Amino acid sequence: KAGVTQTPRYLIKTRGQQVTLSCSPISGHRSVSWYQQTPGQGLQFLFEYFSETQRNKGNFPGRFSGRQFSNSRSEMNVSTLELGDSALYLCASSSGSGTHQRQYFGPGTRLTVT
Amino acid sequence: KQEVTQIPAALSVPEGENLVLNCSFTDSAIYNLQWFRQDPGKGLTSLLLIQSSQREQTSGRLNASLDKSSGRSTLYIAASQPGDSATYPCWGYQKVTFGTGTKLQVIP
Repeated sequence: KAGVTQTPRYLIKTRGQQVTLSCSPISGHRSVSWYQQTPGQGLQFLFEYFSETQRNKGNFPGRFSGRQFSNSRSEMNVSTLELGDSALYLCASSSGSGTHQRQYFGPGTRLTVT
Repeated sequence: KQEVTQIPAALSVPEGENLVLNCSFTDSAIYNLQWFRQDPGKGLTSLLLIQSSQREQTSGRLNASLDKSSGRSTLYIAASQPGDSATYPCWGYQKVTFGTGTKLQVIP
């Protein structure tokens, strides 16, 4: 089985722009979660989608949004980019939602905001 | 708010040592606990998953335990090797929270 894939792998944007990141889960997995990793804050949870519905959400401003499609692929959008949004964005998939589900992570998208 | 603390933040040991990494969480309403490994600039690899009804899991040289009453999980690495050098974050589900990770260096 192919692993979790994320595109693009690297991205450079300018302050004020918006960006869309994509995540394709492992085949058969219906849950996709997004995380932001920065040197200062570590790994922080953004949101989780299961069967096209957002089931869990972290403490991020409304500029961060996501969605999941019927084929379980997910996109994350960040509007009005700020310098502090520079980070490694990781997505993870699991076969179910909620409890006792092992998370499989993609390689991440490294976003640089200038 | 769930907070996850990992001690030590960094650890440097000679090859062959047995070592213990700790993960403490403030909210015992945790469904499961995962230990991950992250190599520099890369994603995370799940090492062990302990479900809420379990107390420990083992995989090769790794053993992880979960004590919900004390809000603590421990990752035990036996006979450490240089290839074990990485950062090890723990992750709790219910109020999804990652620990800051323990950065491990195993010296040949």
